[in-house]
Amino acid sequence: AQSVTQLDSQVPVFEEAPVELRCNYSSSVSVYLFWYVQYPNQGLQLLLKYLSGSTLVKGINGFEAEFNKSQTSFHLRKPSVHISDTAEYFCAVSQGGSEKLVFGKGTKLTVNP
Amino acid sequence: DADVTQTPRNRITKTGKRIMLECSQTKGHDRMYWYRQDPGLGLRLIYYSFDVKDINKGEISDGYSVSRQAQAKFSLSLESAIPNQTALYFCATSDSTGVFSKQYFGPGTRLTVT
Repeated sequence: AQSVTQLDSQVPVFEEAPVELRCNYSSSVSVYLFWYVQYPNQGLQLLLKYLSGSTLVKGINGFEAEFNKSQTSFHLRKPSVHISDTAEYFCAVSQGGSEKLVFGKGTKLTVNP
Repeated sequence: DADVTQTPRNRITKTGKRIMLECSQTKGHDRMYWYRQDPGLGLRLIYYSFDVKDINKGEISDGYSVSRQAQAKFSLSLESAIPNQTALYFCATSDSTGVFSKQYFGPGTRLTVT
């Protein structure tokens, strides 16, 4: 079965600093990878997804992620964060290429002034 | 208006009670999902339905049942609620066109079982 590991449960950063949220997955077959964001008291929204092609994927709100097959990683990055980026971020992988998603446990990003 | 709605948004119930959480969508999607979210555990799939006649168990279906009354409606039931079912529940939808279309999430239902 697929699994997703988000290596940091909490990441505090200062405004305008760069940030990287780490995600590793387990799979022996091709995968689809996703990052979702959950703002306080809201449902999840898709930030970006990797299906195939270029390994650098750009998403909404200035976020990007890089698929690294050899390291089975899909880390999320933003060069300069804003207070409004404070949220919980979830990495997810499709299970066997199906429509079912397996989520990581989440990383809470807190951006401080 | 929201594309995916969930009712109720908050519910407190007692152990042993039957409770139903409802999800409606106006996106015209054929696929619907129920997840639960627990602090530190992320989201886990309870049930999913790829069309009205297709219901499938997810990772943690024990203690839950579902009903797909129409393409737009997917209900989750707890036949006899227990305290460890206290969680935040999300409904999601996706369509079957294209390559792995994204899932759209509702706002969530916070359920407390005392």
